[in-house]
Amino acid sequence: QVQLVQSGAEVKKPGASVKVSCKASGYTFSTNGISWVRQAPGQGLEWVGWISGDNVNTNYAQKLQDRVSMTTDTSTSTAYMELRSLRFDDTAVYYCARDLGSSAYYCFDYWGQGTLVTVSS
Amino acid sequence: SSELTQDPAVSVALGQTVRITCQGDSLRDYYTTWYQQKPGQAPVLVIYGNSNRPSGIPDRFSGSSSGNTASLTITGAQAEDEADYYCTFRDSSGNHPFGGGTKLTVL
Repeated sequence: QVQLVQSGAEVKKPGASVKVSCKASGYTFSTNGISWVRQAPGQGLEWVGWISGDNVNTNYAQKLQDRVSMTTDTSTSTAYMELRSLRFDDTAVYYCARDLGSSAYYCFDYWGQGTLVTVSS
Repeated sequence: SSELTQDPAVSVALGQTVRITCQGDSLRDYYTTWYQQKPGQAPVLVIYGNSNRPSGIPDRFSGSSSGNTASLTITGAQAEDEADYYCTFRDSSGNHPFGGGTKLTVL
């Protein structure tokens, strides 16, 4: 069965960086991309970006593209999202999700449990 | 503000039918996906490609799209369907804008 397991909660100061991991199992990791979606407290969903499973291609939300980086490690089937120069409004739960791409209308069929990133002074 | 507009809240009597809508000009050109999210949980895919239902999703969930409006219909709503519902699509630049979400209450 497909599973995405994310790293634990983080508390960071403004201006710092955070790196969240997402370990996949139950499928061939390199054949599907991973999208990251965040949700601020009490708010809706916001797409952060996408990386191909083979770590070749990325696509970031325009508002975050100067501060976000995504990578994958195919040897461990793990995706990473790093967000730099953290601001208070980056406080959110960050989800990773398997992105089925063009084979299924670009939907996200499996999601990680979420990682709470809190930016606090 | 989101380019996809959803009603913030909708209610339905137990066992009745409810339609949740999502409006946006881009929906004329792209396929809509719907996610269900219950409090404290990750979103769950319920409809993709406008009207396709993943395995494991009850057949009371259906989707459709016409013009600038996509709809998620629950026929015979159950108590466990009470949740937030989000629509989204993938545009030609690879972005996935989300609607603001609809909170469904089952009375």
